[in-house]
Amino acid sequence: NAGVTQTPKFQVLKTGQSMTLQCAQDMNHNSMYWYRQDPGMGLRLIYYSASEGTTDKGEVPNGYNVSRLNKREFSLRLESAAPSQTSVYFCASIVRGTGPLHFGNGTRLTVT
Amino acid sequence: QKEVEQNSGPLSVPEGAIASLNCTYSDRGSQSFFWYRQYSGKSPELIMFIYSNGDKEDGRFTAQLNKASQYVSLLIRDSQPSDSATYLCAAPSGAGSYQLTFGKGTKLSVIP
Repeated sequence: NAGVTQTPKFQVLKTGQSMTLQCAQDMNHNSMYWYRQDPGMGLRLIYYSASEGTTDKGEVPNGYNVSRLNKREFSLRLESAAPSQTSVYFCASIVRGTGPLHFGNGTRLTVT
Repeated sequence: QKEVEQNSGPLSVPEGAIASLNCTYSDRGSQSFFWYRQYSGKSPELIMFIYSNGDKEDGRFTAQLNKASQYVSLLIRDSQPSDSATYLCAAPSGAGSYQLTFGKGTKLSVIP
């Protein structure tokens, strides 16, 4: 019973490099989310996908793109990483829109 | 932007005491509220959710909701050192919204 699985767990990038954070859930949830968490800033929503085939911007979408590959998978891409994107990234999913979120274990990203 | 506000703390209580964590929200349309616990370096985990005015009890935890005052709280009875964590309050950004807005969290320390 894996729940929400994120890869990688840790990543170090140089400024300008690109990478994709992967997320998969095995709970047959409809909605999936990407958050970032910075000290003193709490969890901030980057992008979400209410259902397969749809994606929408959250509070802090600049510098990111997402793909809802299928019902299980939702990826987050940084096209040109910047030091301001150093953060812990969490993927989460919900059965439907207003239910409780289930979080993955997070990806700690450092951009130098 | 809908807001969820929490006192960042830290809140220190002695072992065995009642810890009281508070949260206010700006969107009167919010219908459901969630409390998450986050240990240092870990992902948030759901501990309580509440939809109706009044109290909801689950073991040592009680969530209280007052929609007229736009106020939700979490009481932890018989606090234990293992309760030491950051507690995050969250609410949907409007009725039926797929966006969940988090407060910045309150850090709780339970002193043995």
